[in-house]
Amino acid sequence: DQQVKQNSPSLSVQEGRISILNCDYTNSMFDYFLWYKKYPAEGPTFLISISSIKDKNEDGRFTVFLNKSAKHLSLHIVPSQPGDSAVYFCAASAPNAGNMLTFGGGTRLMVKP
Amino acid sequence: KAGVTQTPRYLIKTRGQQVTLSCSPISGHRSVSWYQQTPGQGLQFLFEYFSETQRNKGNFPGRFSGRQFSNSRSEMNVSTLELGDSALYLCASRFSGANVLTFGAGSRLTVL
Repeated sequence: DQQVKQNSPSLSVQEGRISILNCDYTNSMFDYFLWYKKYPAEGPTFLISISSIKDKNEDGRFTVFLNKSAKHLSLHIVPSQPGDSAVYFCAASAPNAGNMLTFGGGTRLMVKP
Repeated sequence: KAGVTQTPRYLIKTRGQQVTLSCSPISGHRSVSWYQQTPGQGLQFLFEYFSETQRNKGNFPGRFSGRQFSNSRSEMNVSTLELGDSALYLCASRFSGANVLTFGAGSRLTVL
């Protein structure tokens, strides 16, 4: 049973436009959510996170929105740049879970110049 | 500040063999965890260590084991390798009290 799902395996966006990556979860115990970016041959790199007590967190070009009632979060990248092309993973953790993150399957973002 | 270092980066084994992977966390990080990434199952949690004690374990068979040393370095071992164990094995470390894991580049294991 996949508790965290990213339903879009890939997304193609024009440079300068907005990229919206979506993530759904089923476990209502999750209280902390993270987005990681992964380039080939590298480990995932932390991008941005959000606690369940918030509905929005912003860091430069990256904004994460959390809709707890819908069990849905999204990552907005504005403006998108070619260097943003990578695989994006959303992850969730529950209280007292330590390092145990549950990851979605990833979305491959391609930003075209 | 050095990141999370994993060795070896690439290795090839045959079925039935065993393998040991090593991870050096970021200096000062005492919490280390391991993840397996495969095309079919995505990123899955293997186990977590803190101060040489296993704190959490994922849903993997007993062939997968790990340990942590007093200097926080960690190793994971997979015995009696199967073809399905071919994967990228990622180590991550975390500073106590922080929420964010920092990952290494991974060890890519191929089982023939």
